[in-house]
Amino acid sequence: NAGVTQTPKFRILKIGQSMTLQCTQDMNHNYMYWYRQDPGMGLKLIYYSVGAGITDKGEVPNGYNVSRSTTEDFPLRLELAAPSQTSVYFCASRGRAGTGELFFGEGSRLTVL
Amino acid sequence: AQSVTQLDSQVPVFEEAPVELRCNYSSSVSVYLFWYVQYPNQGLQLLLKYLSGSTLVESINGFEAEFNKSQTSFHLRKPSVHISDTAEYFCAVSPGNTGKLIFGQGTTLQVKP
Repeated sequence: NAGVTQTPKFRILKIGQSMTLQCTQDMNHNYMYWYRQDPGMGLKLIYYSVGAGITDKGEVPNGYNVSRSTTEDFPLRLELAAPSQTSVYFCASRGRAGTGELFFGEGSRLTVL
Repeated sequence: AQSVTQLDSQVPVFEEAPVELRCNYSSSVSVYLFWYVQYPNQGLQLLLKYLSGSTLVESINGFEAEFNKSQTSFHLRKPSVHISDTAEYFCAVSPGNTGKLIFGQGTTLQVKP
C-alpha cells in the first residue's frame, strides 16, 4: 500500500522558474492538503481540497496554485519561483473531515536560488 | 479564526525523566485535537487524538494527552522518556467538519543520555 506519494523529493529552481509538485494517494481519500514546513514555523496550510473539483485556500496560498481533477491527484504549482518559497513541502490526505487521521507523504525539499 | 500555540520550541530532557509538551488552541467552534510526531527526515505520523468522550487519551508508546476545554489546552506528557523519543512534536486542531487541519509551530524534544 503506497499511501501518499510525492515527487520530486528534491529540486533546485532558479528565481522566476515554474514547477509542479506532484502528489497522489491510493486510499480513495476525499480530503487532500498541501503544507509547507519552515524551521521554527511549524506547518502552514497552503491549499486543501475536499473532493475532486473543489479546492480552497489555506493560510499561505500566495504564489501557488492547485487543481483537483481526480480523487487521487492533487498537484501544487509554483509560478515565478521566489527565494521565499524555499521550503519543505508536504502533501497529505485523509478520509474524513474533522476526526480523520492525516496521512503524509515523505516531503519535497525545494530550494530557490 | 482557529490557531494553535505550542509554548515551547525546544524541550531538553534526560533519559527516563518525565516530560510535558504544552499546546493551547483557540477556536469558536468545537474542535478535534491531534498530536503528530516527526522523526528526522521523515513525514509526520499520528501519535494520538482526542475526538470525544474521555478527556485523557493515550498512545501505544506511553504518551498521553489531556483535553482541557476550560483552559483550551491539550498538553502531551510521558512519565519516562527514551532516547528514541527524540523528535519534533506537532499539536493540531481540526475545527468541526470544515476539512481544515491547523498545526502549531512544533516542539523539538531532545532526550539526552
